[in-house]
Amino acid sequence: GEDVEQSLFLSVREGDSSVINCTYTDSSSTYLYWYKQEPGAGLQLLTYIFSNMDMKQDQRLTVLLNKKDKHLSLRIADTQTGDSAIYFCAPEEGGSYIPTFGRGTSLIVHP
Amino acid sequence: DVKVTQSSRYLVKRTGEKVFLECVQDMDHENMFWYRQDPGLGLRLIYFSYDVKMKEKGDIPEGYSVSREKKERFSLILESASTNQTSMYLCASSPSSQGATGELFFGEGSRLTVL
Repeated sequence: GEDVEQSLFLSVREGDSSVINCTYTDSSSTYLYWYKQEPGAGLQLLTYIFSNMDMKQDQRLTVLLNKKDKHLSLRIADTQTGDSAIYFCAPEEGGSYIPTFGRGTSLIVHP
Repeated sequence: DVKVTQSSRYLVKRTGEKVFLECVQDMDHENMFWYRQDPGLGLRLIYFSYDVKMKEKGDIPEGYSVSREKKERFSLILESASTNQTSMYLCASSPSSQGATGELFFGEGSRLTVL
């Protein structure tokens, strides 16, 4: 099966940019997702990128995909305290439409 | 508004008890999933279902079973609960692959403690 790796913690100052990195092993993933989990809640889709794209921008969010290196990143500009959450990288297993989740990165935003 | 509802937010059970976790979705989705979430381990897929009465094993099915008698309902069953099944259980659903991005819609989770 697919292996997905991401760091467990990231701490940033309010107003700075946050970058969460992820590496994966399945090169046939069609969709690659980022999910967000706020405290005490389930996961919600934050954004996704289709495999034929290198970059996707959505307001403060930028997703970069390097298929050659199997590397996915999520950049949050002007990070706010409300962005504090766990962020999961989740590329889908090739052709299955089932995502494999990384361990999640806890983003801590401090004043 | 899409909704996945898990029947219990918190449960405390004793070792050896049979445990039922219920999940209902109101979006007419074909696919339903059960994950468990543990600190530092992320989400691990237990079972999923593509259709009524169909089930597929995920990555960690041992000690669990599932039931899908109706399209909107997917139940996770722990036949004999053990302490290592203490965890947060997350249910999710998604529409069929045709025309969909594969986005999963999650419930809020059921935190199970087995004593």
